Amino acid sequence: AQSVTQPDIHITVSEGASLELRCNYSYGATPYLFWYVQSPGQGLQLLLKYFSGDTLVQGIKGFEAEFKRSQSSFNLRKPSVHWSDAAEYFCAVGALRNSGGSNYKLTFGKGTLLTVNP
Amino acid sequence: EPEVTQTPSHQVTQMGQEVILRCVPISNHLYFYWYRQILGQKVEFLVSFYNNEISEKSEIFDDQFSVERPDGSNFTLKIRSTKLEDSAMYFCASVTEWVWETQYFGPGTRLLVL
Repeated sequence: AQSVTQPDIHITVSEGASLELRCNYSYGATPYLFWYVQSPGQGLQLLLKYFSGDTLVQGIKGFEAEFKRSQSSFNLRKPSVHWSDAAEYFCAVGALRNSGGSNYKLTFGKGTLLTVNP
Repeated sequence: EPEVTQTPSHQVTQMGQEVILRCVPISNHLYFYWYRQILGQKVEFLVSFYNNEISEKSEIFDDQFSVERPDGSNFTLKIRSTKLEDSAMYFCASVTEWVWETQYFGPGTRLLVL
Protein backbone atom coordinates (compact mmCIF):
# COMPACT_ATOMS: atom_id res chain seq x y z
CA ALA A 1 0.00 0.00 0.00
CA GLN A 2 1.12 3.51 -0.69
CA SER A 3 2.13 5.94 2.05
CA VAL A 4 3.45 9.47 2.39
CA THR A 5 5.64 10.89 5.12
CA GLN A 6 6.08 14.56 5.82
CA PRO A 7 8.75 14.67 8.53
CA ASP A 8 8.20 18.28 9.55
CA ILE A 9 4.97 19.02 11.39
CA HIS A 10 5.64 22.74 11.72
CA ILE A 11 8.16 25.03 10.03
CA THR A 12 8.74 28.71 10.69
CA VAL A 13 10.58 30.91 8.21
CA SER A 14 11.11 34.63 7.85
CA GLU A 15 9.51 36.47 4.99
CA GLY A 16 11.87 36.53 2.04
CA ALA A 17 13.74 33.41 3.14
CA SER A 18 13.86 30.26 1.05
CA LEU A 19 11.66 27.29 1.87
CA GLU A 20 11.89 23.55 1.46
CA LEU A 21 9.19 21.20 2.66
CA ARG A 22 10.07 17.54 2.70
CA CYS A 23 8.01 14.66 1.42
CA ASN A 24 8.89 10.97 1.17
CA TYR A 25 6.61 8.41 -0.41
CA SER A 26 6.28 4.67 -0.61
CA TYR A 27 4.59 3.22 -3.66
CA GLY A 28 5.15 0.03 -5.60
CA ALA A 29 4.68 1.46 -9.07
CA THR A 30 5.43 4.72 -10.85
CA PRO A 31 4.31 7.40 -8.41
CA TYR A 32 1.99 10.21 -9.32
CA LEU A 33 2.74 12.95 -6.82
CA PHE A 34 0.92 16.06 -5.74
CA TRP A 35 1.32 19.02 -3.41
CA TYR A 36 -1.80 20.70 -2.06
CA VAL A 37 -2.08 23.78 0.15
CA GLN A 38 -4.81 24.58 2.63
CA SER A 39 -5.35 28.07 3.96
CA PRO A 40 -7.59 28.55 7.00
CA GLY A 41 -11.24 28.07 6.08
CA GLN A 42 -10.36 27.02 2.55
CA GLY A 43 -10.35 23.74 0.73
CA LEU A 44 -7.27 21.96 -0.52
CA GLN A 45 -5.79 23.73 -3.53
CA LEU A 46 -3.41 22.00 -5.93
CA LEU A 47 0.02 23.63 -6.11
CA LEU A 48 1.63 21.22 -8.58
CA LYS A 49 1.74 17.62 -9.69
CA TYR A 50 4.23 15.20 -11.18
CA PHE A 51 3.34 12.41 -13.57
CA SER A 52 6.38 11.83 -15.73
CA GLY A 53 9.05 13.63 -17.70
CA ASP A 54 11.07 16.49 -16.26
CA THR A 55 11.68 15.76 -12.59
CA LEU A 56 11.54 19.45 -11.69
CA VAL A 57 7.97 20.67 -11.88
CA GLN A 58 6.72 24.21 -11.60
CA GLY A 59 3.51 25.12 -9.87
CA ILE A 60 1.40 28.09 -8.95
CA LYS A 61 2.45 30.87 -6.59
CA GLY A 62 6.15 30.42 -7.43
CA PHE A 63 6.46 26.92 -5.98
CA GLU A 64 8.43 24.09 -7.51
CA ALA A 65 9.08 20.50 -6.56
CA GLU A 66 11.70 17.97 -7.53
CA PHE A 67 11.05 14.27 -7.91
CA LYS A 68 13.99 12.10 -6.87
CA ARG A 69 13.25 8.44 -7.47
CA SER A 70 16.47 7.25 -5.78
CA GLN A 71 15.45 9.02 -2.56
CA SER A 72 11.69 8.43 -2.89
CA SER A 73 11.26 12.13 -2.33
CA PHE A 74 9.20 14.95 -3.76
CA ASN A 75 10.28 18.07 -1.87
CA LEU A 76 8.54 21.39 -2.33
CA ARG A 77 10.59 24.56 -2.63
CA LYS A 78 10.15 28.28 -2.96
CA PRO A 79 13.08 30.70 -3.26
CA SER A 80 11.47 33.59 -1.38
CA VAL A 81 8.52 33.15 0.94
CA HIS A 82 5.73 35.70 1.24
CA TRP A 83 3.55 36.21 4.32
CA SER A 84 0.56 34.97 2.30
CA ASP A 85 2.25 31.57 1.98
CA ALA A 86 1.44 30.79 5.60
CA ALA A 87 -0.78 27.71 5.38
CA GLU A 88 -0.73 23.95 5.74
CA TYR A 89 0.92 21.97 2.96
CA PHE A 90 0.05 18.42 2.05
CA CYS A 91 2.00 16.00 -0.09
CA ALA A 92 0.02 13.17 -1.69
CA VAL A 93 0.52 10.15 -3.92
CA GLY A 94 -2.15 9.04 -6.36
CA ALA A 95 -3.13 5.44 -7.00
CA LEU A 96 -5.32 4.11 -9.76
CA ARG A 97 -7.86 1.40 -9.09
CA ASN A 98 -6.52 -2.10 -9.60
CA SER A 99 -9.50 -2.85 -11.81
CA GLY A 100 -8.59 -0.06 -14.17
CA GLY A 101 -10.32 3.12 -15.20
CA SER A 102 -9.24 6.68 -14.72
CA ASN A 103 -10.41 6.93 -11.14
CA TYR A 104 -7.61 7.54 -8.68
CA LYS A 105 -7.51 8.11 -4.96
CA LEU A 106 -5.07 10.27 -3.07
CA THR A 107 -3.05 9.17 -0.08
CA PHE A 108 -1.92 12.17 1.92
CA GLY A 109 0.84 12.92 4.35
CA LYS A 110 0.03 14.49 7.71
CA GLY A 111 0.84 17.95 6.46
CA THR A 112 3.37 20.63 7.34
CA LEU A 113 2.16 23.85 8.89
CA LEU A 114 4.13 26.84 7.62
CA THR A 115 4.39 29.99 9.71
CA VAL A 116 5.94 33.09 8.14
CA ASN A 117 7.50 35.71 10.38
CA PRO A 118 7.56 39.33 9.18
CA GLU B 1 -13.31 29.76 -11.63
CA PRO B 2 -15.63 26.84 -10.88
CA GLU B 3 -15.40 25.47 -7.38
CA VAL B 4 -16.68 22.67 -5.21
CA THR B 5 -19.02 23.84 -2.46
CA GLN B 6 -20.00 22.10 0.74
CA THR B 7 -22.74 22.65 3.30
CA PRO B 8 -22.89 23.08 6.17
CA SER B 9 -19.47 24.43 7.07
CA HIS B 10 -19.91 23.22 10.66
CA GLN B 11 -22.27 20.70 12.20
CA VAL B 12 -22.66 19.59 15.79
CA THR B 13 -24.69 16.46 16.49
CA GLN B 14 -25.40 14.02 19.26
CA MET B 15 -23.98 10.52 19.18
CA GLY B 16 -26.38 8.14 17.46
CA GLN B 17 -27.96 10.80 15.27
CA GLU B 18 -27.95 10.73 11.50
CA VAL B 19 -26.14 13.44 9.59
CA ILE B 20 -26.07 14.31 5.92
CA LEU B 21 -23.19 16.30 4.50
CA ARG B 22 -23.79 17.97 1.18
CA CYS B 23 -21.52 18.81 -1.70
CA VAL B 24 -22.02 20.44 -5.06
CA PRO B 25 -19.22 19.23 -7.37
CA ILE B 26 -18.00 21.14 -10.40
CA SER B 27 -20.64 20.79 -13.09
CA ASN B 28 -18.73 18.89 -15.80
CA HIS B 29 -16.97 16.55 -13.39
CA LEU B 30 -17.91 12.89 -13.30
CA TYR B 31 -15.93 11.38 -10.39
CA PHE B 32 -16.78 12.39 -6.86
CA TYR B 33 -15.00 11.68 -3.62
CA TRP B 34 -15.25 12.02 0.12
CA TYR B 35 -12.16 12.31 2.26
CA ARG B 36 -11.96 13.03 5.96
CA GLN B 37 -9.37 14.42 8.34
CA ILE B 38 -9.56 13.67 12.03
CA LEU B 39 -7.92 16.46 14.00
CA GLY B 40 -4.15 16.05 13.98
CA GLN B 41 -4.23 13.15 11.55
CA LYS B 42 -3.89 12.61 7.82
CA VAL B 43 -6.49 13.35 5.21
CA GLU B 44 -7.94 9.89 4.45
CA PHE B 45 -9.80 8.61 1.42
CA LEU B 46 -13.31 7.37 2.21
CA VAL B 47 -15.09 6.67 -1.06
CA SER B 48 -15.23 7.45 -4.75
CA PHE B 49 -18.38 7.55 -6.85
CA TYR B 50 -18.93 7.36 -10.59
CA ASN B 51 -21.89 6.77 -12.82
CA ASN B 52 -24.25 6.56 -9.84
CA GLU B 53 -22.39 3.87 -8.01
CA ILE B 54 -19.50 3.48 -5.62
CA SER B 55 -16.27 3.05 -7.52
CA GLU B 56 -14.00 2.33 -4.58
CA LYS B 57 -14.26 2.56 -0.81
CA SER B 58 -11.84 2.36 2.08
CA GLU B 59 -12.03 0.19 5.17
CA ILE B 60 -13.34 3.21 7.05
CA PHE B 61 -16.43 3.36 4.83
CA ASP B 62 -18.54 0.78 6.64
CA ASP B 63 -22.30 0.19 6.66
CA GLN B 64 -22.87 3.35 8.67
CA PHE B 65 -21.84 5.42 5.68
CA SER B 66 -23.63 5.88 2.39
CA VAL B 67 -23.30 8.22 -0.56
CA GLU B 68 -25.84 9.41 -3.03
CA ARG B 69 -26.25 11.73 -5.96
CA PRO B 70 -29.92 12.57 -5.50
CA ASP B 71 -30.09 14.97 -8.42
CA GLY B 72 -27.87 16.37 -11.13
CA SER B 73 -25.92 18.66 -8.88
CA ASN B 74 -25.67 17.39 -5.29
CA PHE B 75 -23.49 14.64 -3.86
CA THR B 76 -24.17 13.61 -0.28
CA LEU B 77 -22.51 11.63 2.47
CA LYS B 78 -24.81 10.16 5.09
CA ILE B 79 -23.69 8.81 8.42
CA ARG B 80 -26.58 6.81 9.84
CA SER B 81 -25.68 6.63 13.51
CA THR B 82 -22.81 8.91 14.38
CA LYS B 83 -20.08 7.91 16.79
CA LEU B 84 -17.68 10.12 18.71
CA GLU B 85 -14.87 8.98 16.43
CA ASP B 86 -16.72 10.34 13.39
CA SER B 87 -15.77 13.83 14.52
CA ALA B 88 -13.59 15.16 11.72
CA MET B 89 -13.35 17.54 8.79
CA TYR B 90 -15.02 16.00 5.75
CA PHE B 91 -13.86 17.07 2.31
CA CYS B 92 -15.67 16.52 -0.95
CA ALA B 93 -13.70 16.45 -4.19
CA SER B 94 -14.51 16.06 -7.85
CA VAL B 95 -12.61 15.46 -11.07
CA THR B 96 -13.28 14.97 -14.75
CA GLU B 97 -13.17 11.49 -16.26
CA TRP B 98 -9.74 12.04 -17.76
CA VAL B 99 -6.98 10.19 -16.02
CA TRP B 100 -4.77 12.17 -13.66
CA GLU B 101 -6.72 15.37 -14.00
CA THR B 102 -6.74 17.47 -10.85
CA GLN B 103 -9.08 16.63 -8.01
CA TYR B 104 -10.74 19.84 -6.84
CA PHE B 105 -11.61 19.99 -3.17
CA GLY B 106 -14.34 21.81 -1.34
CA PRO B 107 -13.71 23.83 1.85
CA GLY B 108 -14.88 21.01 4.09
CA THR B 109 -17.55 20.39 6.71
CA ARG B 110 -16.37 20.20 10.29
CA LEU B 111 -18.46 17.59 12.10
CA LEU B 112 -18.45 17.40 15.87
CA VAL B 113 -20.18 14.46 17.54
CA LEU B 114 -20.98 14.91 21.21
